[in-house]
Amino acid sequence: AQKVTQAQTEISVVEKEDVTLDCVYETRDTTYYLFWYKQPPSGELVFLIRRNSFDEQNEISGRYSWNFQKSTSSFNFTITASQVVDSAVYFCALSERGSGTYKYIFGTGTRLKVLA
Amino acid sequence: KAGVTQTPRYLIKTRGQQVTLSCSPISGHRSVSWYQQTPGQGLQFLFEYFSETQRNKGNFPGRFSGRQFSNSRSEMNVSTLELGDSALYLCASSFGPDTQYFGPGTRLTVL
Repeated sequence: AQKVTQAQTEISVVEKEDVTLDCVYETRDTTYYLFWYKQPPSGELVFLIRRNSFDEQNEISGRYSWNFQKSTSSFNFTITASQVVDSAVYFCALSERGSGTYKYIFGTGTRLKVLA
Repeated sequence: KAGVTQTPRYLIKTRGQQVTLSCSPISGHRSVSWYQQTPGQGLQFLFEYFSETQRNKGNFPGRFSGRQFSNSRSEMNVSTLELGDSALYLCASSFGPDTQYFGPGTRLTVL
């Protein structure tokens, strides 16, 4: 069965610190997708990144970077030089092909507080 | 392209009433999924519609139902509202099996 674990419930950092949000997943499929979403206080989930299971290349986008390691079933997210605007809840998600259709499952989220 | 839109944004209902929420997906997206988000339970999958057919269903009672129209717009209905139905209801659309794009949500309060 598919499962996504975000063990960190809440993280507080001081502005300009680097922070890594952990995500561990379980799946039996060889083809799957992994995602990160950001949910600011307004409530809307904002898509950040997608990775498919065949692409283990790390990705960097500005201050954001993602480390995908199939060997440890992890897809971690690092924010470099954090800013107050990064304060939000971050969700990791997994999409795998079940019995004919893809199903999404979300982790429980990590609340990040960046203090000025 | 316009993003996913949801109406209304806020709703206040009383126990026993019913409510209908609406979601318009991104143009060209045929899959619409609904989620319930509460502080205690996190993001819970309700159901997914594709080409007017329910394709997946989460573990919610029959009071929660949905439908999708030929233009891919979707509605979800909750009948006989309970206090525990107070939540943020999020709709997401996707083109294929990958990225879901979310709307701003409907915040439902049941008194």
